[in-house]
Amino acid sequence: TQLLEQSPQFLSIQEGENLTVYCNSSSVFSSLQWYRQEPGEGPVLLVTVVTGGEVKKLKRLTFQFGDARKDSSLHITAAQPGDTGLYLCAGGPAGGGADGLTFGKGTHLIIQP
Amino acid sequence: DTGVSQDPRHKITKRGQNVTFRCDPISEHNRLYWYRQTLGQGPEFLTYFQNEAQLEKSRLLSDRFSAERPKGSFSTLEIQRTEQGDSAMYLCASSRTNEQFFGPGTRLTVL
Repeated sequence: TQLLEQSPQFLSIQEGENLTVYCNSSSVFSSLQWYRQEPGEGPVLLVTVVTGGEVKKLKRLTFQFGDARKDSSLHITAAQPGDTGLYLCAGGPAGGGADGLTFGKGTHLIIQP
Repeated sequence: DTGVSQDPRHKITKRGQNVTFRCDPISEHNRLYWYRQTLGQGPEFLTYFQNEAQLEKSRLLSDRFSAERPKGSFSTLEIQRTEQGDSAMYLCASSRTNEQFFGPGTRLTVL
């Protein structure tokens, strides 16, 4: 069974600070996706990384896929209150087939003004 | 922009009743997925379809759960004889590639 561990589970910081959240596994994934979820809504896709060592940037968000495709990180620069939410990482099946994603439990992020 | 839609958004039912949820995927997406999300957890994969074929259903939680996608477009998820432990958010996602796009979910409360 593939498992994804996210850390920290909860993070509350002041506006303007930087932060990094982590997504780790002992399993290899074909792809790694990051989602953000608001209360009562479905997850919204932020980014997909596929190649080991890949780095993608989305404005103030930087996503990295580990070289061995077992882990990923999300770094936010100069966090803003609008970044508040639940951040979920999800791994695609190792064989690359069209199967369900394996999700972590998420990081609850609160950015205080 | 027509994303994934789900209906109803909220459902309250009594224990023992049957419920059915509908998902309409993004129109050009041939793959459709169902997940369940309980409080404090990430979504848990249940089943998926490629066109009308259900290619994975071993993760459905029990034989009370079933899903259909009869014409390869919309899908339904049915739970028979609901139990209080079935209370959760049921999410649908669709894809054309390895990126899955989620609907807003159906929140089920079993009393």
